[in-house]
Amino acid sequence: DAGVTQSPTHLIKTRGQQVTLRCSPKSGHDTVSWYQQALGQGPQFIFQYYEEEERQRGNFPDRFSGHQFPNYSSELNVNALLLGDSALYLCASSPTGGEGEPFLVMNTEAFFGQGTRLTVV
Amino acid sequence: GQNIDQPTEMTATEGAIVQINCTYQTSGFNGLFWYQQHAGEAPTFLSYNVLDGLEEKGRFSSFLSRSKGYSYLLLKELQMKDSASYLCAVLDSNYQLIWGAGTKLIIKP
Repeated sequence: DAGVTQSPTHLIKTRGQQVTLRCSPKSGHDTVSWYQQALGQGPQFIFQYYEEEERQRGNFPDRFSGHQFPNYSSELNVNALLLGDSALYLCASSPTGGEGEPFLVMNTEAFFGQGTRLTVV
Repeated sequence: GQNIDQPTEMTATEGAIVQINCTYQTSGFNGLFWYQQHAGEAPTFLSYNVLDGLEEKGRFSSFLSRSKGYSYLLLKELQMKDSASYLCAVLDSNYQLIWGAGTKLIIKP
């Protein structure tokens, strides 16, 4: 069973450009969350998608947008790239609880992809 | 605001025991996670605590005190491969994971 897969693994972009990152969740998972992890820091929550809709959003500008497809895969788009957007972008998938909660509360874990290292120059 | 604090860096000796502490102040609490992250790689799940007490899983144990907003990760019989960053993360009332900055653990022979 393939876990969470992300593409590409590395990417170099120029300031002002746009980028699209992709994520395929673990089989059986329908919720996808995106995180930005700057060097030496913990991940920061960007947003979460469930049933093809943005369910929750962290403190990120509108330049960051996303999409979820019917097969539960997801994209993260970043417009007008800034140098400060250079980071490891992590995708995590998880199953939905019985009442539509994004996480199973007991013994749950978010499965992370290997990440996409984005460098903006 | 929401805040998670853990030491920036710790050093321990191979074969020894180390305890990594985490304190948190969050909007609600739906559990606390510990993740291990090797440099340049994604985090990997170690443990999840939602009730007070100690959870043991092999060489790793995790403890939680909700009243104190405190957790620790205990690593026994340290091996060189345990050199990594250890991230504490809390699931808040909105089911968002709030992360600490991580503790870099250096294991010396």
